[in-house]
Amino acid sequence: QVQLQESGPGLVKPSQTLSLTCTVSGGSISSGSYYWTWIRQPAGKGLEWIGRLYTTGSTNYNPSLKSRVTISADTSKNQFSLRLTSVTAADTAVYYCATYGDFGFDFWGQGTLVTVSS
Amino acid sequence: DIVMTQSPLSLPVTPGEPASISCRSSQSLHRNGYDSLEWYLQRPGQSPQLLIYMGSKRASGVPDRFSGSGSGTDFTLRISRVEAEDVGIYYCMQALQTWTFGQGTKVEIK
Repeated sequence: QVQLQESGPGLVKPSQTLSLTCTVSGGSISSGSYYWTWIRQPAGKGLEWIGRLYTTGSTNYNPSLKSRVTISADTSKNQFSLRLTSVTAADTAVYYCATYGDFGFDFWGQGTLVTVSS
Repeated sequence: DIVMTQSPLSLPVTPGEPASISCRSSQSLHRNGYDSLEWYLQRPGQSPQLLIYMGSKRASGVPDRFSGSGSGTDFTLRISRVEAEDVGIYYCMQALQTWTFGQGTKVEIK
């Protein structure tokens, strides 16, 4: 059973960079056929896919965020990370990491709230 | 981009009664013999969980009162007899071109 845990600052200042890490246990981010993914959810709103990292190391990003997003992996720590630059209040949300296997998002982290405020 | 539209956005339900949610995509999700459409439930205070994949297949551990149907651009999630634990927000999601979620349908007990 794969388990995911998000970590990172809960408060980021406007114009700065949001950085989060997802620690994976019960599975390897460098094996299998999984997309290691970041999804966010503003308070009271729906889910938005941010980007994904395949086990080969390739990445894809939501076009609406592509210019500001980087997802990377640290295979030695079995972690993958999110960087979102030039944040504004609109980036305030609960951020989830999740795995997408053959048939959907089958494992999710508990989510971490990131607030953008000065 | 594929746009996903759910209806209704709010659904009051009576325990023991059936319920259904509609999801429409802006283009066909049918390719290679199946539909790339999934349903998720987000219970209050929890992360979303997968209910249905490939339009109609129940994920592991999902009760059989949940069923998915439809093909192409029109899909439906049905709950045969609603239980109190079914409250939450239901999302459809297309997985044909990366991913796009619907707006969500909030299911609550009357």
